[in-house]
Amino acid sequence: EAAVTQSPRSKVAVTGGKVTLSCHQTNNHDYMYWYRQDTGHGLRLIHYSYVADSTEKGDIPDGYKASRPSQENFSLILELASLSQTAVYFCASSRWGASAETLYFGSGTRLTVL
Amino acid sequence: GDSVTQTEGLVTLTKGLPVMLNCTYQTTYSPFLFWYVQHLNEAPKLLLKSSTDNKRTEHQGFYATLHKSSSSFHLQKSSVQLSDSALYFCALSDGTNTGKLTFGDGTVLTVKP
Repeated sequence: EAAVTQSPRSKVAVTGGKVTLSCHQTNNHDYMYWYRQDTGHGLRLIHYSYVADSTEKGDIPDGYKASRPSQENFSLILELASLSQTAVYFCASSRWGASAETLYFGSGTRLTVL
Repeated sequence: GDSVTQTEGLVTLTKGLPVMLNCTYQTTYSPFLFWYVQHLNEAPKLLLKSSTDNKRTEHQGFYATLHKSSSSFHLQKSSVQLSDSALYFCALSDGTNTGKLTFGDGTVLTVKP
């Protein structure tokens, strides 16, 4: 089964600080995604990537940067963390970007910004 | 833009009863619908998916039928088990071959003994 690993599992950050969330996949998938989950709401796409060294904006990219240094690794960067970015963040991968493709999710990172 | 609506935020049932979780969508593309399930403290996982109109799709006792005429993809099970307690998301592919999904807000299903 596809494997997507996120680190850290949880993190507490201070307002204005820099936060980096990491994601590693061993599936040889081309596409990787970062989603945000807020209580009572569905997953919302922040950034995605379909090839190394290139990232694309999702639906809610403001306040976030992404980095894809290799096919296996995809990071989400909060340069100036804010209280509103407290959420659970999920990384996912898919083989291709076709409509029918299944997303394989990591276990999530719970970020608390104080 | 695309949207997915799940009308129930929380559904509580007794073991053995049937369940239907509602999902309706809006899109200008040919729809591809998914149900993902997330158990407590676990990653979301695909439950089932479909793009075929009026064809029932089944997996692990759950089933859903895409009805393009009513823009619906409701999830059903005839007899829920305690292990079915989880958060269920309906999701819609945007049809642009980027793999991007629009998720509904999710329905928490709690099954009691």
